[in-house]
Amino acid sequence: DADVTQTPRNRITKTGKRIMLECSQTKGHDRMYWYRQDPGLGLRLIYYSFDVKDINKGEISDGYSVSRQAQAKFSLSLESAIPNQTALYFCATSDFYHNEQFFGPGTRLTVL
Amino acid sequence: AQSVTQLGSHVSVSEGALVLLRCNYSSSVPPYLFWYVQYPNQGLQLLLKYTSAATLVKGINGFEAEFKKSETSFHLTKPSAHMSDAAEYFCAVSEGSSASKIIFGSGTRLSIRP
Repeated sequence: DADVTQTPRNRITKTGKRIMLECSQTKGHDRMYWYRQDPGLGLRLIYYSFDVKDINKGEISDGYSVSRQAQAKFSLSLESAIPNQTALYFCATSDFYHNEQFFGPGTRLTVL
Repeated sequence: AQSVTQLGSHVSVSEGALVLLRCNYSSSVPPYLFWYVQYPNQGLQLLLKYTSAATLVKGINGFEAEFKKSETSFHLTKPSAHMSDAAEYFCAVSEGSSASKIIFGSGTRLSIRP
């Protein structure tokens, strides 16, 4: 089984709709992250959380919100989706002891 | 602030040829540096990382990278390209020692010609 899972894997929605992307992990890591990937721009950090009570904005948090429901779950919400939020979204996890982040398979979101 | 620059958004090499993907970083503190690979329709996978130990770092699938402080570079190489190496490669720098915040480069797409 995958250590970091994301649901859904693909989603097409319309402008103005509320969307939630979910991330779960079985690695036991305390730190979780949400990135978006756009062609030619690499990955940009949206939000990150170092534990259940700690939520921090990243580079591009406008238009997004997150919820850390448990150590293993970190959700990303788009309250009112717009077309320029069409992108590939990745969840990642890490802990203090391992100098790397572990990524989920990604969610491809299209906003029409 | 830390940043990463990857030179060349697309690199094409022949199968069996040397692979060289360039990465330069900017950091005010000793950096932790990473190379990640993304195969089509997949997430990112760590290839290798530099964490202030040996300057020549060996990774998976025959890749290696050399940390050169004087040149602020961390180029990725592989002596002989294989068709399966076709993917997107991302260089990244960490703001801290625990990979808690990673800044990614814009990526380099590697194509392999038969």
